[in-house]
Amino acid sequence: DVQLVESGGGLVKPGGSLRLSCAGSGFSFSSYTINWVRQAPGKGLEWVSSISSVGTYIDHEESLRGRFTTSRDNAKTSVYLQMNDLRPDDTAIYYCARDVRPPRGYNVDWGQGTQVTVS
Amino acid sequence: DIQMTQSPSSLSASVGDRVTITCRASQGIDNNLAWYQQKPGTLPKLLIHGASTLQSGVPSRFSGAGSGTDFTLTINGLQPEDVATYYCQKCGSAPFSFGPGTKVDLK
Repeated sequence: DVQLVESGGGLVKPGGSLRLSCAGSGFSFSSYTINWVRQAPGKGLEWVSSISSVGTYIDHEESLRGRFTTSRDNAKTSVYLQMNDLRPDDTAIYYCARDVRPPRGYNVDWGQGTQVTVS
Repeated sequence: DIQMTQSPSSLSASVGDRVTITCRASQGIDNNLAWYQQKPGTLPKLLIHGASTLQSGVPSRFSGAGSGTDFTLTINGLQPEDVATYYCQKCGSAPFSFGPGTKVDLK
């Protein structure tokens, strides 16, 4: 079965940093684009970033560029979201999700999410 | 960037009703649109992609239509288990923006 497991969330002060991890298993990890999506408390879904299967294509939501960086290590079947200069409005559950093949930006499989609280 | 809007923001309907949710893109996106259902406390579930292609396992009472800038999600015969928030998402090329969501509950 496809599994995506996020980790690395927690409570951080404004201006601080966190590195989220997304570990994949049960599928050919290096063949899939992975997307990060977040959801603030009581709010809707927000696309954060995408990283292509071998990491050659990376994009971030425009307002997050310069603070958030996405990378991957296919040998460790993991994707990472480095978040710097965190702000209270970055408080959200952060999900990683597996794109379809070929990648289209939508997701069938999601991790359970990791909570990030900036306060 | 292309902005996605949805209407209404919420609606109440009776079991068996036909429910239609509209999603609009600020620029044409061909058929690059997906719909998700999210029940409280659960993960988003992909319902439709390519504007009108039903994801495997999704009940046939759900259908999608549209192309360009205007899209609809229709539930033919609302069921109690359909109470959820529904999101559209622009696909194809980044940014993969979501609409703000439409909350559906029972009257």
